[in-house]
Amino acid sequence: ETGVTQTPRHLVMGMTNKKSLKCEQHLGHNAMYWYKQSAKKPLELMFVYSLEERVENNSVPSRFSPECPNSSHLFLHLHTLQPEDSALYLCASSQGDRALAGYTFGSGTRLTVV
Amino acid sequence: AQKITQTQPGMFVQEKEAVTLDCTYDTSDPSYGLFWYKQPSSGEMIFLIYQGSYDQQNATEGRYSLNFQKARKSANLVISASQLGDSAMYFCAIRGAAGNKLTFGGGTRVLVKP
Repeated sequence: ETGVTQTPRHLVMGMTNKKSLKCEQHLGHNAMYWYKQSAKKPLELMFVYSLEERVENNSVPSRFSPECPNSSHLFLHLHTLQPEDSALYLCASSQGDRALAGYTFGSGTRLTVV
Repeated sequence: AQKITQTQPGMFVQEKEAVTLDCTYDTSDPSYGLFWYKQPSSGEMIFLIYQGSYDQQNATEGRYSLNFQKARKSANLVISASQLGDSAMYFCAIRGAAGNKLTFGGGTRVLVKP
């Protein structure tokens, strides 16, 4: 398997549920990212991991909890979400030390909070 | 800080014609990369083309070309010979050499008419 794989592709969850989004990359990259894409809003960077260490957290509410156990895997743990958290969540990876390298994105998880 | 501005929220283009998507940027980094991504309705972000700030020539990739005007801080994407499959959202993005962050514009929706 190649590229960046996100699971699940679609998720519907209640506000009291706990779920996790998974991202896996097979590109040998050492940096991974979570983005949120809401309708009619620009992509918002949520978290950046470089060499498995979180290097950026853009004021994301604590109901979103990232985890990066190794350079190939990234999780986003979700709990007590709100309806406004419904969005497309995109994972990406890059070779962090190639500063001008672009990102490779997964297909996203479309989350609906009911 | 970096910023990308895409002033065209949506465009129609006739099949087989060319279309230009506007992108202007602002950055304090002396070295940076500019990227264009395509996002079909399925959600995945597909890398199209890259332009480095010190590249002397405009980037080209098949039917995609980038009209890079550094002094004007613009990096417009030209799609030649439009096809129905080109209907999608198109995002311009910038990444500075100083950090990991890829910053996106608000996107332009392109609809190709038969």
